[in-house]
Parts: sequence; C-alpha cells; structure tokens
Amino acid sequence: EVQLLESGGDSVHPGESLRLSCAASGFIFPNYAMNWVRQVPGKGLEWVSAISASSAATYYRDSVKGRFTISRDNSKNLLFLQIHSLRVEDTAIYYCATNLTQGVAWGQGTTVTVSS
Amino acid sequence: QSVLTQPPSVSGAPGQRVTISCTGSTSNIGANFDVHWYQQLPGTAPKLLVSTNFNRPSGVPDRFSGSKSGTSASLAITGLQAEDEADYYCQSYDSSLKGWVFGGGTRVTVL
Repeated sequence: EVQLLESGGDSVHPGESLRLSCAASGFIFPNYAMNWVRQVPGKGLEWVSAISASSAATYYRDSVKGRFTISRDNSKNLLFLQIHSLRVEDTAIYYCATNLTQGVAWGQGTTVTVSS
Repeated sequence: QSVLTQPPSVSGAPGQRVTISCTGSTSNIGANFDVHWYQQLPGTAPKLLVSTNFNRPSGVPDRFSGSKSGTSASLAITGLQAEDEADYYCQSYDSSLKGWVFGGGTRVTVL
C-alpha cells in the first residue's frame, strides 16, 4: 500500500524557519518525482515545488523562490521542504504528492501556522 | 486566480446528473497533459477520483466519469447522492510554469 506521511509542521513567528518531511513507502521512491502542494484553510490547492527522481532538477512557484528548498534522500525514502523567512501567507496545510503509474498519491498533510 | 478555471459551485437534486468543467490553455490541458480530478471532504486530504483524464481508481463508483477535449476537461457525476457533497478540483501540468496547476475548486451541493 502506498503511503506518504508528512511531519514537521508547527506554529511559528514570521521570519522563522521550518523543515517539513515526507516519509514514503509502498512504491519505488527513487523512481518518481515528488511534489509539495499547500492549501490555506478554506481555500484551494496550490502547487509549491517539485523535485525530479534523481534530484537533478527542482522547480518552485514564483512566490516561494529563494525561500523554499526542496530536497530528497532516496536511500531513506524521504522528501524534504526547507522553508526560510516564513510569512503569514505561508500558513497552510502542506501535502506531499507524487504521480505514480497507478495514479496520484497524496499524504494527509502537515499544518504550518505563521502568526505574530 | 487559478490557472485552470472551474465554476465555484454546482448543485443538483438526488439522482440527477451534474458536470464540472475545467478550462485550461495550450500550455497545460491543450498540450495534452493529463487531467486528474479530486474530491475533498472537509478536514481531509484530496482523494483521487479520476486519474489520467478518465480512469477511475479502484473503489471509486462508476457514477464518476472524466472526459477531456482540446483545452478543457469535465467531471460528470450521475445519480447524485448526498455523500457527494464536497469540493472537487481538477489538476494538470503546465509546461510554462513547469509545475502542477489546479482549478480553483467546485463546491457540489445536493439539494
């Protein structure tokens, strides 16, 4: 069974940093690109970042470029999202997701709250 | 402003058929990238409803069906049931943005 389990969400102040993690199981993790998607409570889904299977390529939405860094550890089946200089507008549930052969798989999300 | 355009809401009586449109452009749906559809209940993660344009994952009722043509896609729900009340999102890939793109979501209400 495919599983994606996010962790690392917390309540922080503006300007602080966080590292989110996503533990993957049930599929060959090194074979697939991975994504982070976020959702502000009560709002829609927003793609944040992606990383290729080998980590050779990374992609970000414009609003997070320079503050967010995506990475992965294929030996441990882990995906990360390092977030610096957090802003109030980064408050959201952060999901990791991947497009597998059998369909798109999502985790349950981890909540990041940024407030002063 | 979402890259993919969905109606904010649709409604129907139990047993009726409703459709949700998802309009993109030549850099996403029109570029032949796959469209996926999700159902999201309050407080839960998105659930994959239709994969790669029209494929239903195991366990998804055949009341849900997807289609795609040109720069648009659609999700149809036939035999609407009370349990279908939820938010629905379409998703594709955009070659200009080099990332996933989503519709703004459609709230389905069963009257």
